[in-house]
Amino acid sequence: DQQVKQNSPSLSVQEGRISILNCDYTNSMFDYFLWYKKYPAEGPTFLISISSIKDKNEDGRFTVFLNKSAKHLSLHIVPSQPGDSAVYFCAASGMDFNKFYFGSGTKLNVKP
Amino acid sequence: GAVVSQHPSWVICKSGTSVKIECRSLDFQATTMFWYRQFPKQSLMLMATSNEGSKATYEQGVEKDKFLINHASLTLSTLTVTSAHPEDSSFYICSALTDTGWNQPQHFGDGTRLSIL
Repeated sequence: DQQVKQNSPSLSVQEGRISILNCDYTNSMFDYFLWYKKYPAEGPTFLISISSIKDKNEDGRFTVFLNKSAKHLSLHIVPSQPGDSAVYFCAASGMDFNKFYFGSGTKLNVKP
Repeated sequence: GAVVSQHPSWVICKSGTSVKIECRSLDFQATTMFWYRQFPKQSLMLMATSNEGSKATYEQGVEKDKFLINHASLTLSTLTVTSAHPEDSSFYICSALTDTGWNQPQHFGDGTRLSIL
């Protein structure tokens, strides 16, 4: 049972434009959401997180939006850069932080 | 930032061999460590959660006798794949939590690619 879903396996964006990566979840008990970036043959690197008490968190070029009623979150990258090309995973956890559920990832390709 | 070291990064061995993967938190004490398995083009699938000094909690469908986890200290957890077979070939990744407060993401190792011949 996939509790966190990333329905787009890939996304291609022109350099300088906005990249929007989407993530849906089914468990209303999730309280903490994260985005990770992963390059081939490396472990995921934490990017940005948001708790359920917020609907937006911004860190430089990265902004995460959370819509609790729709059980949807998104990661906006603006402006996109070729170095952003990687696989992006969203993840969710309850307040106990004992278990994190990951989406299947979206491969972002930023074209120069 | 918090660094997690995973070793080895790649191992190739014969069927029937047992393989040990180490996960170390280099500059912090990890209260909790996670072990994941990733198949190509798929999500990170949690295998087990381990807390220092206690038995690991395995996810449904993960054989605890097959995948032995030892979390003997706050900086080291090991995963041993016993009597590995080709179907165990996969990418295994560990992660560690510094504590369970808010905004404490997992810190991941770089993973171990396990290939069983």
